[in-house]
Formats: sequence, structure tokens, C-alpha cells
Amino acid sequence: EVQLVESGGGLVQPGGSLRLSCAASGFTFSSYTMIWVRQGPGKGLEWASSIGSISSPIHYADSVKGRFTISRDDAKNSLYLQMNSLRTEDTALYYCARMGGSGDLDYWGQGTLVSVSS
Amino acid sequence: EIVLTQSPGTLSLSPGERATLSCRASQSITSNYLAWYQQKPGQAPRLLIYGASSRATGIPDRFSGSGSGTDFTLTISRLEPEDFAMYYCQQFGSSPLFTFGPGTIVDI
Repeated sequence: EVQLVESGGGLVQPGGSLRLSCAASGFTFSSYTMIWVRQGPGKGLEWASSIGSISSPIHYADSVKGRFTISRDDAKNSLYLQMNSLRTEDTALYYCARMGGSGDLDYWGQGTLVSVSS
Repeated sequence: EIVLTQSPGTLSLSPGERATLSCRASQSITSNYLAWYQQKPGQAPRLLIYGASSRATGIPDRFSGSGSGTDFTLTISRLEPEDFAMYYCQQFGSSPLFTFGPGTIVDI
């Protein structure tokens, strides 16, 4: 059974940093492109970043480029998102997801909540 | 930059009725890389349709997707009580790499 479990969320002040993790199991993690998607309170879904197998290619949404860094450790079946210079508008539930063969996101975690507030 | 527009914003229907949801793209979507998701309150999104018309694993056949280019449709043939939820479309391939529509709420 495919499982994705996010962790690392919390309350942080503007300008602060957080590192999110996503632990994957039930599939060959190293073979898949992995994605971070976020959802602000009461809002829709927003793609944040993606990383291909063997850590290439890497892409970021303009809203997080230069502040967030995505990475993966295939030996640990884990995906990461280092978030620096956090802003109040980064407040959201952050999901990790696996990309399927047609650019779809076929499995999702339950999300980890990031709150940016003073 | 590609933009996805979903209509209507809210669809008010009754169980047993047919639901037709629209997703329109501002430019043609690469290789019909268009997916549909269902999201219920407090839950993660669930993949329903990929490649514009293929049902994901375990999705009932009352859900169907169609369309190509810039116009796509999700149809729920007969609404079940558990189908009342938010629905999002999503494209892959054009800048930005992944884009979601704003969603359609299907409510009673």
C-alpha cells in the first residue's frame, strides 16, 4: 500500500524557516517524480515544487522560487522541503504527492500545517 | 502562463441527478495531461481521472472525463450522497509546470 506521511509543520514567525519531510512507503520511491502542493486556509490547491527521479529536474512555482528548496533522499525514501524567508502568505496545509504517468498526482499524504504569524 | 477556469463555481443538485463540470484552459494542454480530483472537507485530494478520460484505480464508473485541447468535462452520471464535494482540474506540462483550477463545489 502506497503511503505518504508529511511532518515538520508548525508555527513560525515571518522571516523564519521550516523543513518539511515526507516519508514514503509501498512503492519504489526512487523511480517517481515527487511534488509539494499547498492549500491555504479556505483556498484552492497550489503547486509549490517538484523533483524528478535522481533529483532532476527540479522546478519551483514563482511564488516560492529563491526561498524554498526541494530535495530527496532515495536511501531513506524521503522527500523534503526547506522553506526559508517565510511569509504570512505561505500559511497553508502542505501536501506531498506522487506524480503518475500522465502528469497526474496519484497518491497524496494527509498534509502538514504551516502557520506563519507574528 | 496557462490558466484553468472551472465552471460553474457551485453546482446544486440532488442525489441521482447528473453532474457536468467544466474545465477550460487558456491554451491547449500538452498531450491531454489533464486530471480531475475530488476533495472532501478535512481530507486530501483524491485522483479521479487522468489523461483527460482514464479513471484512476478504484474510481466508480459513474465518473467519466472527456475533452481535449482547451475544453474538458467531468461527468458524474448519477450522484451518490458521497459525491458531494469540491472538484479540481489540473494540468501538467505548460508553464507553470502544474496548474490547478479554482474548483467546483457540488452540493445538495
